[in-house]
Amino acid sequence: NAGVTQTPKFRVLKTGQSMTLLCAQDMNHEYMYWYRQDPGMGLRLIHYSVGEGTTAKGEVPDGYNVSRLKKQNFLLGLESAAPSQTSVYFCASSYDRIYEQYFGPGTRLTVT
Amino acid sequence: AQSVSQHNHHVILSEAASLELGCNYSYGGTVNLFWYVQYPGQHLQLLLKYFSGDPLVKGIKGFEAEFIKSKFSFNLRKPSVQWSDTAEYFCAVIEGLSGYSTLTFGKGTMLLVSP
Repeated sequence: NAGVTQTPKFRVLKTGQSMTLLCAQDMNHEYMYWYRQDPGMGLRLIHYSVGEGTTAKGEVPDGYNVSRLKKQNFLLGLESAAPSQTSVYFCASSYDRIYEQYFGPGTRLTVT
Repeated sequence: AQSVSQHNHHVILSEAASLELGCNYSYGGTVNLFWYVQYPGQHLQLLLKYFSGDPLVKGIKGFEAEFIKSKFSFNLRKPSVQWSDTAEYFCAVIEGLSGYSTLTFGKGTMLLVSP
């Protein structure tokens, strides 16, 4: 089992460019999450999904969109990147809302 | 909204010293509690979790944590740290009964263990 995988691992964008981050999990989990990690801020939830075809906003959703067309994939989109979106992005999945989350390796995004 | 407070942002210890990292949360109802660890350059991994039962829970690599409901605390402990324990540690809490709450993380504690 690969667990949770994320692509790409690194990306540099110019302000205003768009991109999509892909998260895939092979554990048949219903719940999937996107977080951003910034120094001294811990992990903050951007969006999450409780099942295929569903999405919901987290703590810091502005400037991001998500889609969950297939149960195993959860996409995070930036339509017009801003320097404030420079961060490390982690995807996670879990069997249920209250259970342990499994994390991917992260994507380091720099917006110049 | 619930909040999670980790008291120390940075901790420096020598090998073999004992470790205690503080974690307090704000929600007064039923909670599930977690400690995650992030080794340099890696993703978060679960150290231990508490759902119910014995308030003293044991995790991987010799770590343990004690849930004290009256103090809203879930402190992480290890009797003797090793250089390989150098990492960032995150406490996380979720309301156990609400169908809509999500996991809330503390800001993390960076532990540096000197050999």
